[in-house]
Amino acid sequence: GAVVSQHPSRVICKSGTSVKIECRSLDFQATTMFWYRQFPKQSLMLMATSNEGSKATYEQGVEKDKFLINHASLTLSTLTVTSAHPEDSSFYICSAERGRYNEQFFGPGTRLTVL
Amino acid sequence: GDSVTQMEGPVTLSEEAFLTINCTYTATGYPSLFWYVQYPGEGLQLLLKATKADDKGSNKGFEATYRKETTSFHLEKGSVQVSDSAVYFCALSDRETSGSRLTFGEGTQLTVNP
Repeated sequence: GAVVSQHPSRVICKSGTSVKIECRSLDFQATTMFWYRQFPKQSLMLMATSNEGSKATYEQGVEKDKFLINHASLTLSTLTVTSAHPEDSSFYICSAERGRYNEQFFGPGTRLTVL
Repeated sequence: GDSVTQMEGPVTLSEEAFLTINCTYTATGYPSLFWYVQYPGEGLQLLLKATKADDKGSNKGFEATYRKETTSFHLEKGSVQVSDSAVYFCALSDRETSGSRLTFGEGTQLTVNP
C-alpha cells in the first residue's frame, strides 16, 4: 500500500507553454501533499505544501503565479508550470502524507525539459 | 531553523565493504529522523526512520541510531552490494516547528563496484 503516482514521467515542451503535472495517491487519502524540485546531483527543495480544499503554501522564493498548485481532491494534486522557460527544466517530485502515520510517500518524479 | 548536514560524496566502495554515511542535524524541537534512498531516475523511498532518542531504525541491512547527545543519525551497512548504488538522503521532520515538512541533507552518492 501507500503508492503515489505522477504523470507524466517525462515531458518536453517549448518555451512559453504551460505544463501540468499530476500527483495521485492511489490507495490512501492525502489531506496534504508536497511538491519538491530537484536539480541534477542536488537535494530536494520544497516548493510548496498543498492542502486539500485550500490554497497552497509556498516556500520563500517560489513564485506562486508561475507554479500553480491545485489540490482538488484527497487523492489528486496538480502542479502547473506556467509560461515555462529553460531554467524551469528540472526533476519535480511530489509526496503525499498518509494521515494515520503522518509519513510522506514519494512519487517517482517528473522530468521536465523546456526547450 | 532546522538543518541537516551529510558527509560529502561521492562514496565509492567495493562489494562487501562496510558503509558509513554521516549525518548530523540541527533542530529546535524533538525531530523524527529519516534516511531515504533514490535510485537513478526515480523518486525517493523511505529506507528507515527513528522517532526518538536512542531508537535504531533498520531495513535491508542498513541501520541508523538516533543520537541526541551528538545530534547524529549515521547510516551504516556491514556489507554493501552493487544494488545499493544510489543517492542517500538524511532528513528530519520537526512537528513542533514545521509540522510534517521534511528538511533534507545534500544527499550522498554511493557507488558500489563488483
